[in-house]
Amino acid sequence: QKEVEQNSGPLSVPEGAIASLNCTYSDRGSQSFFWYRQYSGKSPELIMFIYSNGDKEDGRFTAQLNKASQYVSLLIRDSQPSDSATYLCAAGEDNFNKFYFGSGTKLNVKP
Amino acid sequence: SQTIHQWPATLVQPVGSPLSLECTVEGTSNPNLYWYRQAAGRGLQLLFYSVGIGQISSEVPQNLSASRPQDRQFILSSKKLLLSDSGFYLCAWIRGGTDTQYFGPGTRLTVL
Repeated sequence: QKEVEQNSGPLSVPEGAIASLNCTYSDRGSQSFFWYRQYSGKSPELIMFIYSNGDKEDGRFTAQLNKASQYVSLLIRDSQPSDSATYLCAAGEDNFNKFYFGSGTKLNVKP
Repeated sequence: SQTIHQWPATLVQPVGSPLSLECTVEGTSNPNLYWYRQAAGRGLQLLFYSVGIGQISSEVPQNLSASRPQDRQFILSSKKLLLSDSGFYLCAWIRGGTDTQYFGPGTRLTVL
């Protein structure tokens, strides 16, 4: 069974701080990794994807991938109250057909 | 630009009634299409995916079925709903040959 694990949280950080969200995956064959943000009652929206080991930065967001440790993380710098949401981590199979999602980490950014 | 539609947005159905949820994608051709279900406070459970017209892969053998009658149309059905079918149903697509998945607005189903 291919799995993606996330701490359910909630993770609480003050406004302006760095929020660090973590994810592990079980399938060593996974080649692509995604972070989605989901506001309550809404559908997930893509934040970032990463394929290679190391860091990938996009604005306030940085995704980090360590394939040896089967670990993916998302850093949110200068966290804002509007970042309060559930963050879903996903891993894709190498044939692009299937994706496995974690259960999400709820982030609360306090003003 | 590509757009994905789902309807209805919300649905309340009695146990034992049939179900039909529809998803359509605009602005692309030959997308991979997916149905997920998200129970309250839970992650996304992949139900079905399709790589082409008439091609359906089932991930969860339940009382649900899926069909893809047209390239950009994906339908989720049930003949008799169960209480456990309640949840948030999400359709998603990726452009063929890529792996970036985008979600529709979802249908919230309550089975009473």
